[in-house]
Amino acid sequence: GAVVSQHPSWVICKSGTSVKIECRSLDFQATTMFWYRQFPKQSLMLMATSNEGSKATYEQGVEKDKFLINHASLTLSTLTVTSAHPEDSSFYICSVYGPGQENSPLHFGNGTRLTVT
Amino acid sequence: AQSVAQPEDQVNVAEGNPLTVKCTYSVSGNPYLFWYVQYPNRGLQFLLKYITGDNLVKGSYGFEAEFNKSQTSFHLKKPSALVSDSALYFCAVSQPDSWGKLQFGAGTQVVVTP
Repeated sequence: GAVVSQHPSWVICKSGTSVKIECRSLDFQATTMFWYRQFPKQSLMLMATSNEGSKATYEQGVEKDKFLINHASLTLSTLTVTSAHPEDSSFYICSVYGPGQENSPLHFGNGTRLTVT
Repeated sequence: AQSVAQPEDQVNVAEGNPLTVKCTYSVSGNPYLFWYVQYPNRGLQFLLKYITGDNLVKGSYGFEAEFNKSQTSFHLKKPSALVSDSALYFCAVSQPDSWGKLQFGAGTQVVVTP
């Protein structure tokens, strides 16, 4: 069964609005969650590393005020795209990791297709 | 800095024929190497990984990969391709002290024709 649940699977929003994407770890306590972004026909790029109970670590070039990450519990991390613009349209995917998962394959969510009109 | 290269944007193969998807890497130390597959509008499915040990790694769905340290390669192989293997394949690398933080190759689209 699924280890990671990502919701919604797709969302369309108007320019200027905010969108929240949820990533849930179903099978274990995820102390760390990773958020990736994938543009059409391109690879996945790591956006940020989310650690439970602390601030997320953002990769170079990713605006932390635009992509708000909250990891308030061991099973849930959220990514909020604030004041979305058409160039934010992309496929967002999370992966989860936790104690006892060392050397285990990383589990990914099914992704969220965001379209900003 | 580490990098992962998948030199082929697309690989075409007839069903029943061997399938190879190439991957080379450039990292310091002893990296962890992965292969994932992605179907349209879906997340990534894990195929296999190399951490240490035997250079030939067997994974899901009949796939295998061989770690070649001297050539810094980790090519994905399947002896007999299926039409259902048509998908986007990603090679990825991480450092032992950064488990979970993957750097992905550009991806290779595999097209298996009946």
